[in-house]
Amino acid sequence: NAGVTQTPKFQVLKTGQSMTLQCAQDMNHEYMSWYRQDPGMGLRLIHYSVGAGITDQGEVPNGYNVSRSTTEDFPLRLLSAAPSQTSVYFCASSYTGGGILGSPLHFGNGTRLTVT
Amino acid sequence: RKEVEQDPGPFNVPEGATVAFNCTYSNSASQSFFWYRQDCRKEPKLLMSVYSSGNEDGRFTAQLNRASQYISLLIRDSKLSDSATYLCVVTLLPFSGGYQKVTFGTGTKLQVIP
Repeated sequence: NAGVTQTPKFQVLKTGQSMTLQCAQDMNHEYMSWYRQDPGMGLRLIHYSVGAGITDQGEVPNGYNVSRSTTEDFPLRLLSAAPSQTSVYFCASSYTGGGILGSPLHFGNGTRLTVT
Repeated sequence: RKEVEQDPGPFNVPEGATVAFNCTYSNSASQSFFWYRQDCRKEPKLLMSVYSSGNEDGRFTAQLNRASQYISLLIRDSKLSDSATYLCVVTLLPFSGGYQKVTFGTGTKLQVIP
């Protein structure tokens, strides 16, 4: 049981380049989400999904796209990278969204992205 | 005012000490509360949920004070391995419907010193 798997672990992009951060979970969780973590800002929600075919915006969605074609996968796409997107990105999943006692968020081990 | 506020620390405490962190939240309708632990350059992991009556898990005790809108985490007999950042998490179900809103605090850093 691998849990939540994120790839890549590290990435350096030039301004304007595009890339996809991959996230997969094998726990049959309905809820999946992407966060970014910046110093002094805490974890901020980018996008989330409550099931295959359903996605919605979080707190900081601009510059990012997501899709959820299967229960297992929830990729995050940066269409045109900007230095402001330099951050650590975490994918997280849960049975019900992480807000119900007994159903915590399970995080992947993160992607450290630098945009120059 | 931030939705969830924590003292960033760092809290430097000797091994064996008792240390307490507080976390305040701004929305009185918040429903569920958690403490997560995050080691340096690692992902956050659930430490414990916070129940209305308070709850204990070994050396860790979590309490909720709805009247004053804060939660606390008490760590007794601190170990070197407790050194980490502790994230407070508050959730809210919007009145308009939809999914729970999960808000993370920025974390309190604990360093346990030999």
